Amino acid sequence: QQQVKQSPQSLIVQKGGISIINCAYENTAFDYFPWYQQFPGKGPALLIAIRPDVSEKKEGRFTISFNKSAKQFSLHIMDSQPGDSATYFCAASRGDDKIIFGKGTRLHILP
Amino acid sequence: KAGVTQTPRYLIKTRGQQVTLSCSPISGHRSVSWYQQTPGQGLQFLFEYFSETQRNKGNFPGRFSGRQFSNSRSEMNVSTLELGDSALYLCASSTTGDRTDTQYFGPGTRLTVL
Repeated sequence: QQQVKQSPQSLIVQKGGISIINCAYENTAFDYFPWYQQFPGKGPALLIAIRPDVSEKKEGRFTISFNKSAKQFSLHIMDSQPGDSATYFCAASRGDDKIIFGKGTRLHILP
Repeated sequence: KAGVTQTPRYLIKTRGQQVTLSCSPISGHRSVSWYQQTPGQGLQFLFEYFSETQRNKGNFPGRFSGRQFSNSRSEMNVSTLELGDSALYLCASSTTGDRTDTQYFGPGTRLTVL
């Protein structure tokens, strides 16, 4: 119930295309869903986050879509660029409990 | 502002030894969290400290411990090292430690246990 399942494990997208990464959770008590971006040799950095009271949040080329009934949320990267090549992690948390991360998606954007 | 710094960046130890990792948070941040990152298990929360008090703890054995000093700097210690402890250990700091407060991660300490 505490798991966050992330897919795919790896993704290759052509430059200019849309990258889509999906996450699913079981615990309906989760109420905060951040996405992190990690480049090789660096720690993760917060990219964008959403609460379940909204269905979509957009920041630049990055959009989170949230489906509360399906207990799923996804990250869309529009007009994907080679500089977006990184590992992306979804996460979920509730109350004062610890944050749970997905296993990560390694994204590679072809130039 | 300087970012989160972690020392050392790389460490090689042998089974049975102990290790201490250090984390200096961003100036003004009072919360420090530690994470273990491995290819198999991904990112897992170890513990979080705020104003020298441990506020939350992940599901790790007692061999993993930590502390925070009055200047918010934090250390984590792993005793009786096992091969499976080989991982990237990340520290993150935030202003309040509230889960919606942005956490800033350091580059990590790569620990290899032989």
